[in-house]
Amino acid sequence: AQKITQTQPGMFVQEKEAVTLDCTYDTSDPSYGLFWYKQPSSGEMIFLIYQGSYDQQNATEGRYSLNFQKARKSANLVISASQLGDSAMYFCAMSYSSGSARQLTFGSGTQLTVLP
Amino acid sequence: SAVISQKPSRDICQRGTSLTIQCQVDSQVTMMFWYRQQPGQSLTLIATANQGSEATYESGFVIDKFPISRPNLTFSTLTVSNMSPEDSSIYLCSAAGSLHGYTFGSGTRLTVV
Repeated sequence: AQKITQTQPGMFVQEKEAVTLDCTYDTSDPSYGLFWYKQPSSGEMIFLIYQGSYDQQNATEGRYSLNFQKARKSANLVISASQLGDSAMYFCAMSYSSGSARQLTFGSGTQLTVLP
Repeated sequence: SAVISQKPSRDICQRGTSLTIQCQVDSQVTMMFWYRQQPGQSLTLIATANQGSEATYESGFVIDKFPISRPNLTFSTLTVSNMSPEDSSIYLCSAAGSLHGYTFGSGTRLTVV
């Protein structure tokens, strides 16, 4: 069974500082993808970053980087230089094969609050 | 990556009625997915919709309650039938886009009274 675990229900960070959001996963599928999404209060899901299970280097997208430690089955999101607009819910997700489709399973989310 | 237009964005419905949510994709996609997000919770997959075949439902979700239409490669609908207050949630559609990304519609915030 595929599972994503986010153990931080809420996090606070001071504006301009870096923050790490934790994510661990469990899967028996050798080919999988790891994603981070941001969900502001409006409800939309905004794609942030992707890491493939065979990727050798950690993914980076602007201020977002993914700290991928395959042996530990962790995929932590690092946000550098936090901004007030980063305040939102953050979901870690994993893609896996289910029948003919590749599906996403989500963690429980981390509510990030950036303090001025 | 694909862009999905989802509507309505929100609705308040009476219990016992049905609501149909529409998602239009700006490019052809093989698979579309429908999720439910209950208040304060994560996203739960309702079903996977492949064009030209019956949708595949996850455990706990049934076709009579959540019928899905997928008439072509750019469009899908989800109906929430015989609604009760427990159906109050955000409903999101999604499609697999390019470069491993999954694009989401903007969501439908449903309140059942």
